[in-house]
Amino acid sequence: GENVEQHPSTLSVQEGDSAVIKCTYSDSASNYFPWYKQELGKRPQLIIDIRSNVGEKKDQRIAVTLNKTAKHFSLHITETQPEDSAVYFCAASPRDSNYQLIWGAGTKLIIKP
Amino acid sequence: ETGVTQTPRHLVMGMTNKKSLKCEQHLGHNAMYWYKQSAKKPLELMFVYSLEERVENNSVPSRFSPECPNSSHLFLHLHTLQPEDSALYLCASSQDGIPYNEQFFGPGTRLTVL
Repeated sequence: GENVEQHPSTLSVQEGDSAVIKCTYSDSASNYFPWYKQELGKRPQLIIDIRSNVGEKKDQRIAVTLNKTAKHFSLHITETQPEDSAVYFCAASPRDSNYQLIWGAGTKLIIKP
Repeated sequence: ETGVTQTPRHLVMGMTNKKSLKCEQHLGHNAMYWYKQSAKKPLELMFVYSLEERVENNSVPSRFSPECPNSSHLFLHLHTLQPEDSALYLCASSQDGIPYNEQFFGPGTRLTVL
């Protein structure tokens, strides 16, 4: 079945630097790729998403890029701030799961002051 | 209360107990989901309901039994659970049962099976 691999599992960056989290998927028919942020003790919330007909999408300091050929997509956070500290989850919607989301294992992002 | 609510927030049960988790959404959505979240593992989709009909059942053991009496309420009935079932159980809702819709999560029920 579909598998979504997410790397790294933990990422520590200096405040103000950029952070990149990468996910790979196996089903080339996957067509939707959201990113959710889960702060400590809180519920996951959607921060950005991208569909398979788009290569890049930006929203202020965050961006997502999609490489369909290589079957990977990445979350980019620029000018990181303490409030960016959280666990970030990627997901993909593969055809063989009836397009229901398959999730990555999460990346714990730590912003060092 | 707004958004998605879940009760109880914490639950400790023995392997022979029967308990139920409750989820309620106040967003007017048509789809609801149960997820299992274990430490350092991907979110595991357990059940999806769209317009009160079960759409997905990802090979979940029969000791977990969902119920969706209407589009605002979702239950997860638990019986004869195992210690490895201990996890955070998250409920979510979305406008419709298609993946492009943002999913709104509840705060979760932290379940411990002794």
